[in-house]
Amino acid sequence: GESVGLHLPTLSVQEGDNSIINCAYSNSASDYFIWYKQESGKGPQFIIDIRSNMDKRQGQRVTVLLNKTVKHLSLQIAATQPGDSAVYFCAENHKGTYKYIFGTGTRLKVLA
Amino acid sequence: DGGITQSPKYLFRKEGQNVTLSCEQNLNHDAMYWYRQDPGQGLRLIYYSQIVNDFQKGDIAEGYSVSREKKESFPLTVTSAQKNPTAFYLCASSKLPNQPQHFGDGTRLSIL
Repeated sequence: GESVGLHLPTLSVQEGDNSIINCAYSNSASDYFIWYKQESGKGPQFIIDIRSNMDKRQGQRVTVLLNKTVKHLSLQIAATQPGDSAVYFCAENHKGTYKYIFGTGTRLKVLA
Repeated sequence: DGGITQSPKYLFRKEGQNVTLSCEQNLNHDAMYWYRQDPGQGLRLIYYSQIVNDFQKGDIAEGYSVSREKKESFPLTVTSAQKNPTAFYLCASSKLPNQPQHFGDGTRLSIL
């Protein structure tokens, strides 16, 4: 089976609770950030993005918070559902370049 | 529906053999990327291409080669010089930098 998720930090939450997944990014010059969801055996799926001129952005059931002072990004998932179980990782983009830096990811397990 | 198609889903390589992974997109994106994903690590960039007939080495290009003869296609060859090719390979595309990358569902390469 898919072994990408081995050795990753795991967050276990009860179905219906809110989830918060954190990411520390590396470069203060990064100005664009993305959260991805990756299910076993699949490619990463775009969830939400945020640019450095914003602190918060909301989507459907998801919110991304950006703290540039401490170079920290978080993803909040409201009313977590079993289908949210996956590996989540962040990506940062350096200004105007085509290169992204990806985090190692957090495995989210939703308990019924 | 637009998207990225990677094939094959599983690939086996014999020692000394070159193998080619296919990536096709119909999103009309200019930029395409190849990443390698290993357990417990973030995605690592192998090669990227900003435009047809042009490509740049990423962070781990040794033992790999690419071509970009058509906008829609960006095949990756894993050569016999790549001594540790076992990994999950992901192809992505984006319209511009600072925009989300869209990923295919990956090719898992193993050694016979």
